[in-house]
Amino acid sequence: GDSVTQMEGPVTLSEEAFLTINCTYTATGYPSLFWYVQYPGEGLQLLLKATKADDKGSNKGFEATYRKETTSFHLEKGSVQVSDSAVYFCALTPGSGGSNYKLTFGKGTLLTVNP
Amino acid sequence: NAGVTQTPKFQVLKTGQSMTLQCAQDMNHNSMYWYRQDPGMGLRLIYYSASEGTTDKGEVPNGYNVSRLNKREFSLRLESAAPSQTSVYFCASSEAGDYGYTFGSGTRLTVV
Repeated sequence: GDSVTQMEGPVTLSEEAFLTINCTYTATGYPSLFWYVQYPGEGLQLLLKATKADDKGSNKGFEATYRKETTSFHLEKGSVQVSDSAVYFCALTPGSGGSNYKLTFGKGTLLTVNP
Repeated sequence: NAGVTQTPKFQVLKTGQSMTLQCAQDMNHNSMYWYRQDPGMGLRLIYYSASEGTTDKGEVPNGYNVSRLNKREFSLRLESAAPSQTSVYFCASSEAGDYGYTFGSGTRLTVV
């Protein structure tokens, strides 16, 4: 079945540091890929997405590129802020079409940014 | 701008008690989902409803039942709560296509 593996945390950085959170996936066909963010005490929010190979999703300074050759979708940000402290989830939906849009999540990576 | 609304936000149950978690969305989405979130486990799908009138089991359905009451509402019922069901429960909805999910703010359930 489909699966998502992301780097285990926690990740602790200083403000303005460079962030990378690795994510790799296993899926048949051509899945769509997502990053979600969960701030403390809240539900998950869609951060960015990419629906086909070589697409780059971006939002709020975060970027991720859909790499089919390496089955990866790593999340990056050039300069993190304290307000980026949250749990980040990589996820995919099958690309087989139809009405199957079930999301499969990675286990999440806790990011803490210190001032 | 409500999106997905879950009630209650917090609940404490005794072992063996029953309760229903409510979820409603106002985005006219066809599909709705129930997930549980546990430390170190990520989010696991309990049940989902691809469209009004249909429901299907997810990864961890045991001990739960669901009802898709109409297009807006999707409830999750615990018939006889167990401590292993202590978790944070999230409802989500989506539309066909690659638009991702919209999540509710969660229900924190403790079973003692």
